[in-house]
Amino acid sequence: SYELTQPPSVSVSPGQTASITCSGDKLGDKYVCWYQQKPGQSPVVVIYQDNKRPSGIPERFSGFNSGDTATLIISGTQAMDEADYYCQAWDISTAPFGGGTKLTVL
Amino acid sequence: QVTLKESGPVLVKPTETLTLTCTVSGFSLSHPRMGVSWIRQPPGKALEWLAHIFSNDEKSYSTSLKTRLTISKDTSKSQVVLTMTNMDPVDTATYYCARILVTGAGRHFDYWGQGTLVTVSS
Repeated sequence: SYELTQPPSVSVSPGQTASITCSGDKLGDKYVCWYQQKPGQSPVVVIYQDNKRPSGIPERFSGFNSGDTATLIISGTQAMDEADYYCQAWDISTAPFGGGTKLTVL
Repeated sequence: QVTLKESGPVLVKPTETLTLTCTVSGFSLSHPRMGVSWIRQPPGKALEWLAHIFSNDEKSYSTSLKTRLTISKDTSKSQVVLTMTNMDPVDTATYYCARILVTGAGRHFDYWGQGTLVTVSS
């Protein structure tokens, strides 16, 4: 089965840029999505199809995918962005998630 | 307004079969660019994709769980049902259903239910 690997945690200062990586074999050949999950809430998609933002998601969220690594970039990180972030890709007909990254804004 | 709502038992015993229902509104399960997935999350742990079903009845299952899972839909009732056999305490988790939206060559989960916590214990 296809595996996606994320760092367990990332820290960033308010106003700075946060980068969260997701790695997988030839991940650049697949479309990657990113989901934000705050405590006690259901996940919300923040990036789909590598770099597209759904309506209502701030412009500070962007994505990039090439080679074996996809990256979620949050520019000008705000306190409200503190959450768990999960990458997800479609592999043939399955849809595995990464292990998640806890983003701390401090 | 798109909504998904999970329902089912909050407590099951080991070896029992779990049956969960996802009732959707605001879209049709016959829409050619939409499907529904089940995803679970053990307490304090990561999301785990379980299965999905599309309007043409295309189904797919997690490789590690496929012998225990069955997904089906009743379009007239706007419901997607997941059964998981031989439940074990490690299956204790919040179970979510989510809508899959097909956009061009890609797919993503654009709407999620609130989730339902299922505990496996004797």
